[in-house]
Amino acid sequence: GQQVMQIPQYQHVQEGEDFTTYCNSSTTLSNIQWYKQRPGGHPVFLIQLVKSGEVKKQKRLTFQFGEAKKNSSLHITATQTTDVGTYFCAGRGSSNTGKLIFGQGTTLQVKP
Amino acid sequence: DTEVTQTPKHLVMGMTNKKSLKCEQHMGHRAMYWYKQKAKKPPELMFVYSYEKLSINESVPSRFSPECPNSSLLNLHLHALQPEDSALYLCASSQYRSPIGYTFGSGTRLTVV
Repeated sequence: GQQVMQIPQYQHVQEGEDFTTYCNSSTTLSNIQWYKQRPGGHPVFLIQLVKSGEVKKQKRLTFQFGEAKKNSSLHITATQTTDVGTYFCAGRGSSNTGKLIFGQGTTLQVKP
Repeated sequence: DTEVTQTPKHLVMGMTNKKSLKCEQHMGHRAMYWYKQKAKKPPELMFVYSYEKLSINESVPSRFSPECPNSSLLNLHLHALQPEDSALYLCASSQYRSPIGYTFGSGTRLTVV
């Protein structure tokens, strides 16, 4: 079945450093979504990417969708302590089932 | 209203108890979901309702029984659970195949004793 792998599992950075998490799917995706979950919280939708090679920016966050629509990345420039949390990618397969499969998540810690 | 409301926030139940988790949204979303999340793990899909009909059951044990009374409400009935069922249960909703993603509730933290 469809699998979505995400690396790294954990990342500790100094405030001001950059951060990147990568997501790879075993199958071609129709779209990929990114969520952030703060400690003790629930996942909050950040963005959806649909087109091959798509790049979207939200302030310090840059999201990319690979040309083959099988991989994606989230890059945060100049991290802040408010960026702490777990970032999940979630891919939707090309079939009509509509299932969203979550990656394992990358937990970001930011040292002030 | 842009929220998904889940009740209760915390629940402790014995293995012989019957309880229900409730989820409500008033965003007009026609797809609703139950996810289970264990500590330090991603959300794991349990059930999907589309237009109030069960469209996906991810081979969930029958001790979990979902119900969608109307387009705004989603319930999860629990019976004879096991300690390993202890987890955060998340409800989510979305417009069917929408580009704006899922809206998650804050979850019910369930402990089975």
